Parts: sequence; C-alpha cells; structure tokens
Amino acid sequence: EAQVTQNPRYLITVTGKKLTVTCSQNMNHEYMSWYRQDPGLGLRQIYYSMNVEVTDKGDVPEGYKVSRKEKRNFPLILESPSPNQTSLYFCASSFFGGGVEMTNEKLFFGSGTQLSVL
Amino acid sequence: RKEVEQDPGPFNVPEGATVAFNCTYSNSASQSFFWYRQDCRKEPKLLMSVYSSGNEDGRFTAQLNRASQYISLLIRDSKLSDSATYLCVVDSWGKLQFGAGTQVVVTP
Repeated sequence: EAQVTQNPRYLITVTGKKLTVTCSQNMNHEYMSWYRQDPGLGLRQIYYSMNVEVTDKGDVPEGYKVSRKEKRNFPLILESPSPNQTSLYFCASSFFGGGVEMTNEKLFFGSGTQLSVL
Repeated sequence: RKEVEQDPGPFNVPEGATVAFNCTYSNSASQSFFWYRQDCRKEPKLLMSVYSSGNEDGRFTAQLNRASQYISLLIRDSKLSDSATYLCVVDSWGKLQFGAGTQVVVTP
C-alpha cells in the first residue's frame, strides 16, 4: 500500500531533550516536506527536499534540522526543543515535476505527530 | 500579508444547500493550485486540482481566476460528510503555500 509513515503519533518531551520524528515513504517520491500546524495559522512549511541530499528551508525552519540521505526517509530533528515547538507536525511527499514547470503533483501526508514540549 | 488567504469561516450550511468560498494568492507567478480537505486534526487529503479552464468532480466545482488571483470551490447538494476544513494550496516553482483553511459545517 502506498503510504507515508510518520512516527511517533504522539510525543511528550521536556525542554532541551533532543528528539527525532521519522518519516518514510514507499512511493519513490522525489519531494518530501515537513509542516507544522497551529490553530489559526494553517500548515506552515518547515523544511523541504527535492531529492536526496537536497534540502531547503521553508517558512519556519528555526529550531529544526532535517536530512535526506536516502530517497525514502526524511527525519525531522529538534536538537533542543522548546515549548513554542508544541504543535501538530505532518510529513508529506509527492512526485516532483522538475524541468521547466517545477510543479508538485498530489501530496501524500503522514498521519501526523502531536508534539508537546513541557 | 499572507501569501495565501482564506476566510476561516465557519460556513454553516444546511444539508442539500450550496456553499462556495474563495482563496486569494499573492504570487502572480504561481503555477498550480489545489484544494485539500482536512478532517479534525487528521492529515490533509487532496480533494481536487484546479485547472485554468475550471473543473468539476461530482458535486465539487473549482475555478481559477488568474487576473484577480483567486481560486474558488463550490459544493453543491451539501452532505453531512462534507463537514471539514478546506485548505487552499498554491504551488510556485515547487514551493507549496497553504492557506489556513475554511471550515464548513453542514447541518441536518
């Protein structure tokens, strides 16, 4: 089954304790991305990757790190979490058109990770 | 100013009625446009892409107005199961921008 697998589903941690949220897709998608969703603000992009070893900042990258060593995996790392990073996080992937148009096709989302930083 | 703006609603719609709402975008170079549906705190799912000529999928109709830089979604014969938040997504050279969503509540 084609899917984006994101873990964990729920995570409670304390300020400053490093954590990693994993994301894996089995569709051979080039494009992967992380979003956070907060009430009234919608989905905001944290980082995205257009292919292996190619990552770029989104709109709210501060306090986060990512890596794309393999096509299928795109982990999100919080080196020193703070309470303002309490949020609902989504990973997503899609085929990426590339070329002149550089457009994304349908985004497939993981089930989300609700993170609480105390 | 946000790059993609939506009326947050909620739009309270009687079952069987029609509801329509818009999404405006600021980047005139945007190329692709989508509507996603999101149920409470679950992952968004693609509802439909929006094509220049407008397109229809069952009870849903999407329109694009490049001159005024907005897209619209119309839902006919609303069902209770249409209650959700509808997210507008704009693709500008591979960078996706999401609107904050429009909440639709269909009532019996």
